[in-house]
Amino acid sequence: KNEVEQSPQNLTAQEGEFITINCSYSVGISALHWLQQHPGGGIVSLFMLSSGKKKHGRLIATINIQEKHSSLHITASHPRDSAVYICAVRLWSGSARQLTFGSGTQLTVLP
Amino acid sequence: DGGITQSPKYLFRKEGQNVTLSCEQNLNHDAMYWYRQDPGQGLRLIYYSQIVNDFQKGDIAEGYSVSREKKESFPLTVTSAQKNPTAFYLCATQKTTTQETQYFGPGTRLLVL
Repeated sequence: KNEVEQSPQNLTAQEGEFITINCSYSVGISALHWLQQHPGGGIVSLFMLSSGKKKHGRLIATINIQEKHSSLHITASHPRDSAVYICAVRLWSGSARQLTFGSGTQLTVLP
Repeated sequence: DGGITQSPKYLFRKEGQNVTLSCEQNLNHDAMYWYRQDPGQGLRLIYYSQIVNDFQKGDIAEGYSVSREKKESFPLTVTSAQKNPTAFYLCATQKTTTQETQYFGPGTRLLVL
């Protein structure tokens, strides 16, 4: 079983819709990251969370440490939001050196 | 212009050939990482380096080698011992090895002929 599970694997939405991508993990973590990968392959870090909620523009990330769950929300979605969204966790049990990644959620926003 | 550069963008390898992927950074970050990405899978760590002249194996190091002779550079060699090298390779850096954001390069796509 993967230590980091994302859902859904694929998501298609109409422009303007509110989008939620979920990430669940099975072990204790010290931080959780949300990343965005564009079709060309480059990856950008969106958020790093250890508790609560963070907001940047139309993106909101939340984490519930007790439930081992995080969500990434996109409000007023736009076709330029189409990308793969990746959840990654930094485990307490491992050293601080590495992240464990989910397999990603492919988001397509249609005009 | 600060950032991470990876070259080449596409690389073709013949059977039995070693190839080297370049990763250069001018962010003055201590830590550097190499990841492999396969379709439908999460990124997997190949090697990482916390300081110059030191590097550690990740989860899938077999068939790969690295060096860290300069802070700015962390090249990855895919050797002929790597039986399934076709993948997307991403280099990343981090300011230190404590809990901070990782920054990713644009990636190199390796194809075996």
